Amino acid sequence: KQEVTQIPAALSVPEGENLVLNCSFTDSAIYNLQWFRQDPGKGLTSLLLIQSSQREQTSGRLNASLDKSSGRSTLYIAASQPGDSATYLCAFYTGTASKLTFGTGTRLQVTL
Amino acid sequence: DAGITQSPRHKVTETGTPVTLRCHQTENHRYMYWYRQDPGHGLRLIHYSYGVKDTDKGEVSDGYSVSRSKTEDFLLTLESATSSQTSVYFCAISQGMYEQYFGPGTRLTVT
Repeated sequence: KQEVTQIPAALSVPEGENLVLNCSFTDSAIYNLQWFRQDPGKGLTSLLLIQSSQREQTSGRLNASLDKSSGRSTLYIAASQPGDSATYLCAFYTGTASKLTFGTGTRLQVTL
Repeated sequence: DAGITQSPRHKVTETGTPVTLRCHQTENHRYMYWYRQDPGHGLRLIHYSYGVKDTDKGEVSDGYSVSRSKTEDFLLTLESATSSQTSVYFCAISQGMYEQYFGPGTRLTVT
């Protein structure tokens, strides 16, 4: 069974810092990977999707990479802002029907 | 935002009563999913659908049933609600091996 771990579980940084969130998985037979953010009491917002043939994807200040051989994905956030404060979740597509297995999440707080 | 709505958004019900949650999409996506989110467990898949009348079980399907009679609607039913089913329920949609888009969630409390 695929297990997905996100480290750290929580992170507090001052505004302007560049930061990296880590996501590791146990089964390299994955298809695509998706990063989400979740604000308190809200639903999930899709940030980036990396397809299995890709190694990274970028959107604005966000860059996500995928290394299946090492069982790892990272989400890089450049020049963090207070509005980036949220919980970040990685999720892997495995098997059929596009079923997602979610990581445990990293709660990020960006302070002024 | 993807056109996904969930109803009701909040519900309090008593143990033993039946409850039905509704997910409605306007995107004509083939796949629909129901997840629950609990502290310490993260998001877990309950059931999913890969077409009208085509459904299958997820990781935590015991105590839940689903139905999909139209492309746009996916219903989740708790036949006899228990306190362990107190949770936040999310619906999601996708067009296959691509991005999943999530609804706003339903907060269900079983007393």
